[in-house]
Amino acid sequence: QSVLTQPPSASGTPGQRVTISCSGSSSNIGSNTVNWYQQFPGTAPKLLIYSNNQWPSGVPDRFSGSKSGTSASLAISGLQSEDEADYYCAAWDDSLNGVIFGGGTKLTVL
Amino acid sequence: LQLQESGPGLEKASETVSLTCTVSGGSISDKNYHWGWIRQPPGKGLEWIGSIYYSGSTYYNPSLKSRAAISVDTSKNQFSLKLSSVTAADTAVFYCARHILRPATKSNWFDPWGQGTLVSVSS
Repeated sequence: QSVLTQPPSASGTPGQRVTISCSGSSSNIGSNTVNWYQQFPGTAPKLLIYSNNQWPSGVPDRFSGSKSGTSASLAISGLQSEDEADYYCAAWDDSLNGVIFGGGTKLTVL
Repeated sequence: LQLQESGPGLEKASETVSLTCTVSGGSISDKNYHWGWIRQPPGKGLEWIGSIYYSGSTYYNPSLKSRAAISVDTSKNQFSLKLSSVTAADTAVFYCARHILRPATKSNWFDPWGQGTLVSVSS
């Protein structure tokens, strides 16, 4: 059972805006920044958003991150078929003194 | 910067799995970065195992700390993971990644990642 809670699945149609939530606690999201990773089947995860809302080079601004209190969200606007992937949130946890991941959300583009 | 994992592929239960991550295009001795291991059982989510600094200081996931040991070899630009007393539950794809830690801003993230190597544990 992951310390960060994500919905197991999400879906949307092309062009739509979709959000994926990540719920934590005061020792992780409440105290530290959140990152998001994108993973396609059979490939390594790729950094999508870091420090709550920062884009690594090459990531389109259709992807955006936000954080409020002990929860974070990833928003994808102008949904495209190639966005179909698994998405993971992650943060440092002060109680564990280490990194924790959410259980992942499988995004389906209908 | 690129990272490449190498390992046995198949290991017997109760044995120790040894994995190595070779870093190219950058120095593992760069004071700005740590280096981490993350695993993913088939069809499941990601689990952080631990991270190391070039000096040898380490952080471990408490759930694996008793069985995991991460070391660094700056002369070879490599870092390694040993996971002891493995069982079938340790079957996973193991990834290595550069771990950026910024305590001042309470930030940390992994980028880039290696392609991963599958380790299967047979009973």
